[in-house]
Amino acid sequence: DAGVIQSPRHEVTEMGQEVTLRCKPISGHNSLFWYRQTMMRGLELLIYFNNNVPIDDSGMPEDRFSAKMPNASFSTLKIQPSEPRDSAVYFCASTAGLAVVEQYFGPGTRLTVT
Amino acid sequence: GQQVMQIPQYQHVQEGEDFTTYCNSSTTLSNIQWYKQRPGGHPVFLIQLVKSGEVKKQKRLTFQFGEAKKNSSLHITATQTTDVGTYFCAGTNYGGSQGNLIFGKGTKLSVKP
Repeated sequence: DAGVIQSPRHEVTEMGQEVTLRCKPISGHNSLFWYRQTMMRGLELLIYFNNNVPIDDSGMPEDRFSAKMPNASFSTLKIQPSEPRDSAVYFCASTAGLAVVEQYFGPGTRLTVT
Repeated sequence: GQQVMQIPQYQHVQEGEDFTTYCNSSTTLSNIQWYKQRPGGHPVFLIQLVKSGEVKKQKRLTFQFGEAKKNSSLHITATQTTDVGTYFCAGTNYGGSQGNLIFGKGTKLSVKP
């Protein structure tokens, strides 16, 4: 089975541009998580969904960040406008329900904003 | 807000030596998980501990959950070069949203052959 799929794997963009990160969770998993990883702040939970509904978005840093999950097999994280401090690795993870323990992480998208 | 602290931040060992990383929470946890991230890779789930005082083993890895459920440790016996990576603990707060894992900043392990 394919694991969590993220695209693109690398993104380099200029400050002010819109960035869209994409995630396809493991088939059958109904909980999806977006994380951001930096050296300074470590791994931070941004938002998570259960059955396509956002449950907790308290980790979203500011209004420039938005996330959607239009169906069970696709989610996007959008940054508009992007800033250099948004440079990080963004991970998507999924589980077969919130009560299930193990989170399966995707390979991540390395975002560089210049 | 809740914090999960991990020490040490870095650990360099000679192959064959033991390694331990410690995790401390400012609040009581309902459970704690451990993940490993290889250089350039993504976090991979290792184990979850739920009960007070619980000890679990996976080959050379031993995981403990404190009696007060506020601390945990991961011990690796006789490290190998394949153990290289960053080890993260992640906890869920009592009464908190079940999906809201709070990650420690990790301990980066390097092993010299």
